[in-house]
Amino acid sequence: DGGITQSPKYLFRKEGQNVTLSCEQNLNHDAMYWYRQDPGQGLRLIYYSQIVNDFQKGDIAEGYSVSREKKESFPLTVTSAQKNPTAFYLCASSIRDRGGQETQYFGPGTRLLVL
Amino acid sequence: KNQVEQSPQSLIILEGKNCTLQCNYTVSPFSNLRWYKQDTGRGPVSLTIMTFSENTKSNGRYTATLDADTKQSSLHITASQLSDSASYICVARTGGFKTIFGAGTRLFVKA
Repeated sequence: DGGITQSPKYLFRKEGQNVTLSCEQNLNHDAMYWYRQDPGQGLRLIYYSQIVNDFQKGDIAEGYSVSREKKESFPLTVTSAQKNPTAFYLCASSIRDRGGQETQYFGPGTRLLVL
Repeated sequence: KNQVEQSPQSLIILEGKNCTLQCNYTVSPFSNLRWYKQDTGRGPVSLTIMTFSENTKSNGRYTATLDADTKQSSLHITASQLSDSASYICVARTGGFKTIFGAGTRLFVKA
């Protein structure tokens, strides 16, 4: 089965705790992304990576960290510095077609809740 | 400021009826506009993509239109089904490869 997997589906964080969300893809896509989705708002970009061992901050990177050691994996760590982490987190990967149009494919998401 | 606004926020229709969702975008320079369907608790799935030179694109019962002059797009759903209940997200992309997501329209289809 090809696609993007995220785990866990639900994650609970205690005060002061760091938690890591997993994102794996077997689509052989170079680019991967992390988004945060809050009710009534559009998706907001946290971090993205265009290639292995390289990543860039998105619009709301504070309190988050990522790594891209392998092409197929792009884990997101929500640190204790993120004061309002409760949200739905979406991972995506993308590929460009011959016309240069990029298509993003999204994972099923992880819902993070603070205890 | 790059932004995408969608209306209505939510919509309830009866099964079998048609509906149209609206999207206004302020994006410069404009590259393309995409509509996604997002089922509750799942990731978005692409329905259509249009560049500035295209003014309509269909995907089954979904038809998207684009007016690059007025910077408006619409998504028309024909003969709605219960499985169409979802959020529909309008996404505009700039020439600088920045992606701007709308907040979505929540569609409820009732039997």
